[in-house]
Amino acid sequence: EVQLVESGGGLVQPGGSLRLSCGASGFTFSDHYIDWVRQAPGKGLEWVGRSRNKANNYSTQYAASVLGRFTIARDDSKNSLYLQMNSLKTEDTAVYYCTRGRQLGYWGRGTPVTVSS
Amino acid sequence: DIQLTQSPSSLSASVGDRVTISCRASQDIGNYLVWFQQRPGEAPKSLIYAASTLQTGVSTKFSGSGSGTDFTLTISRLLPEDLATYYCLQYSFYPLTFGGGTKVEIK
Repeated sequence: EVQLVESGGGLVQPGGSLRLSCGASGFTFSDHYIDWVRQAPGKGLEWVGRSRNKANNYSTQYAASVLGRFTIARDDSKNSLYLQMNSLKTEDTAVYYCTRGRQLGYWGRGTPVTVSS
Repeated sequence: DIQLTQSPSSLSASVGDRVTISCRASQDIGNYLVWFQQRPGEAPKSLIYAASTLQTGVSTKFSGSGSGTDFTLTISRLLPEDLATYYCLQYSFYPLTFGGGTKVEIK
């Protein structure tokens, strides 16, 4: 069974940093694209970024709103994907989901991030 | 960026009704479209990908159609469990973009 479990969310002050993790199981992690998607409270879904698979050299892609502040990294030995978030802003407050596949076919349950003073 | 416009933004329908949701893209995205269902308090769930291919395990009462710029999600027989917000997503171009969502309520 495909499973994705996010962790690392919490409360952080504006300008601070946070690292989210996405643990995967039930599939060959290196074969798949893994994305981050977020949802601000009461709002719609926003794509954050992507880590392509091993065949595509794990290259990454980001939304303009996070480019230069967020970094996606992966550790295939731990079946894990990370989202390093720096220079956080109040508008980054959201539930962050990791998803699998080019069509975002599988989702975790999300981890909440609150950026507030 | 590709803009996806969903309509209506909300609707109220009766159990057993047929419901149709539209998603219009600001430019041609081929068939690179996904439909998601998000029930209250839950993560989104993929229903349909490649505009019309039913995701494994999803009820056949859901169907998708369209290509290019105009797409439709149809729920053939609405049930109380279908109370949710439905989103479309285009994955033809970066950045991936979502529609604004359609909230489906049960009368």
